[in-house]
Order: sequence, then structure tokens, then C-alpha cells
Amino acid sequence: DIQLTQSPSSLSASVGDRVTITCRASRSINNNLHWYQQKPGNAPKLLMYAASTLQSGVPSRFSGSGSGTDFTLTISSLQSEDFATYYCQQSYSGPLYTFGQGTKLEI
Amino acid sequence: EEQLVESGGGLVQPGGSLRLSCAASEFSLSDYNMNWVRQAPGQGLEWVSFFSASSGTIKYADSVKGRFTISRDNAKNSLYLQLNSLRAEDTAVYYCARLKMGAFEMWGQGTVVTVSS
Repeated sequence: DIQLTQSPSSLSASVGDRVTITCRASRSINNNLHWYQQKPGNAPKLLMYAASTLQSGVPSRFSGSGSGTDFTLTISSLQSEDFATYYCQQSYSGPLYTFGQGTKLEI
Repeated sequence: EEQLVESGGGLVQPGGSLRLSCAASEFSLSDYNMNWVRQAPGQGLEWVSFFSASSGTIKYADSVKGRFTISRDNAKNSLYLQLNSLRAEDTAVYYCARLKMGAFEMWGQGTVVTVSS
């Protein structure tokens, strides 16, 4: 099984900050890595697919990079609505999918 | 507007059964690979099961294999998950999710399953 490890598990930041979340795969997954945002009580929302492609309607302050085993999600200037939990997910071993454990972004 | 709506969750005793439904609107489920994903209280996301558009491939997470069954009714444009031999650790919000290019691009609002005596 492919394991995904996110770091940090939690992060405190302020509006306007630049924030980076990392996702590391236990083996190479090429660019088969996707990012989600989840707010309390809501379903996850797809932000980024194929490591660096922004989902339609997602603000351009979100960006993704990486390939192989190491990936990052960057928020260039935090807005109040960005405080949420973020998950990465791999589809290299699809249709057996795995998620990272999540990164909680707090004020 | 395209959407997914889950139903069928509830409180069930350990060892019991439940059938979850996911109804699709404004698109045909048979055109997409569909999945169930769950989230235990306060925990992360766990993929549960996959149903291919062609109906040719069905997959399960090891944690539910042999207990859960995924199916689809094209006439009702609905996806189902039959949950048998339920355990306390199956307590979670269950989401159905549409897959595109390996990513879960559309999610329902979820249905809550609680396994407790």
C-alpha cells in the first residue's frame, strides 16, 4: 500500500501569511496526487488535481507542485475562509486510493 | 445543477446491517467511476469502495472487504452501499464521490452511520 504523510499535522497562521503544506508518498506516484479542503461539518472540496492543476473555481492563491514522492500545497496569502483542514490523496494505485492524515490550518 | 445526495444512515447495533443510497441529479452515474469514502468522528478520510462506469471493476478497502457491497441502479441513477456485520469502528460519515482523473471532484453531503449498542 502507498502511504501518504502530511506535515505539519497542524499549523497556526495569520491572514496574509504564505503557507506551505507538504505531502510525502512512501514510493513514487508520479503526479497522481490531489489536494482537498474540508471545513467543519462540510464535505471535502477538491482544490488541485494532478499535483499542480487548479480545479475550476478555486482561487489562484492556491498552488501545487511536486512529482514522484514529494508534493506541496501553497497558499500565497491566507484569507479568513482558508482556515480549514487540508488532505492530500493519491490515485497512482487506483482504484485503491489513500489519503494523507490531514493538516489543520488554524488562526 | 449536478449533485449527489446520500441517505440511509442511522443508528444500528453491532453486527447489524444498513443500506446507504446515493442519488445523482443532472448527470448519469453510469458515465463516471463512483466511490464511497468515509470519515470517522474527528478523524481523516478513508476510501471505502469503487464502482467503475462500465460496471466491470469493483474494489473495496481491506477494512470492509467481505462485509460491504457496492452496487448501482442505472434506472434510478443511484449508487448503493450495503453494510453488513457492522462494527463500532464503522461509525462514520459516509460520502459518495464522483471520480475524474483520479481525483474526487464531486461529493455528496454525507450520511451518518453510528454503530452502537
